[in-house]
Amino acid sequence: DAKTTQPPSMDCAEGRAANLPCNHSTISGNEYVYWYRQIHSQGPQYIIHGLKNNETNEMASLIITEDRKSSTLILPHATLRDTAVYYCTDIFGNEKLTFGTGTRLTIIP
Amino acid sequence: EAGVAQSPRYKIIEKRQSVAFWCNPISGHATLYWYQQILGQGPKLLIQFQNNGVVDDSQLPKDRFSAERLKGVDSTLKIQPAKLEDSAVYLCASQLQYSGANVLTFGAGSRLTVL
Repeated sequence: DAKTTQPPSMDCAEGRAANLPCNHSTISGNEYVYWYRQIHSQGPQYIIHGLKNNETNEMASLIITEDRKSSTLILPHATLRDTAVYYCTDIFGNEKLTFGTGTRLTIIP
Repeated sequence: EAGVAQSPRYKIIEKRQSVAFWCNPISGHATLYWYQQILGQGPKLLIQFQNNGVVDDSQLPKDRFSAERLKGVDSTLKIQPAKLEDSAVYLCASQLQYSGANVLTFGAGSRLTVL
């Protein structure tokens, strides 16, 4: 069973910020939050991860609430190439990476 | 750097036939994974190798699936005999020796259709 809960689908207008939510109801203190995405006909691609603090890299920003029960992945200026399925998970150390069904994000021109 | 290479990209077989998938990980990556992704679902881990040894194969249906990683580099996943429910994309991923982050690099996958 998936450890996280995500909405099955979302739409976002091209050029706007896409905010993808994730609930981590069973997360423990030492588990990191990870986000991956999967573009059609490709394998999953790592985006970002974090523990407690907000994180930003060249792809996205990650906001983690203070109680760590939810996170939000932010794509600041969505493009058509960001259309994909986005997966969030929480894992400890070198625990195996597991995936739920994710959120299908569609960027609308 | 070159990515994770997989072949074939597509394979169609009839049930009870056998099939093999090949994976060449990123050079220097000690850890290799095989995942199965059924249409509409997230990837599911089948087996994990560390160099040429199996770390976890608890989710591998061993009556029909087998995998090996000879010499700790390339890996092969075999299904014999195939069933209809084996229709899926088989994804290979590799990772440097664990260094504090679970960053896996995936290949494009091999799509299997069992008729």
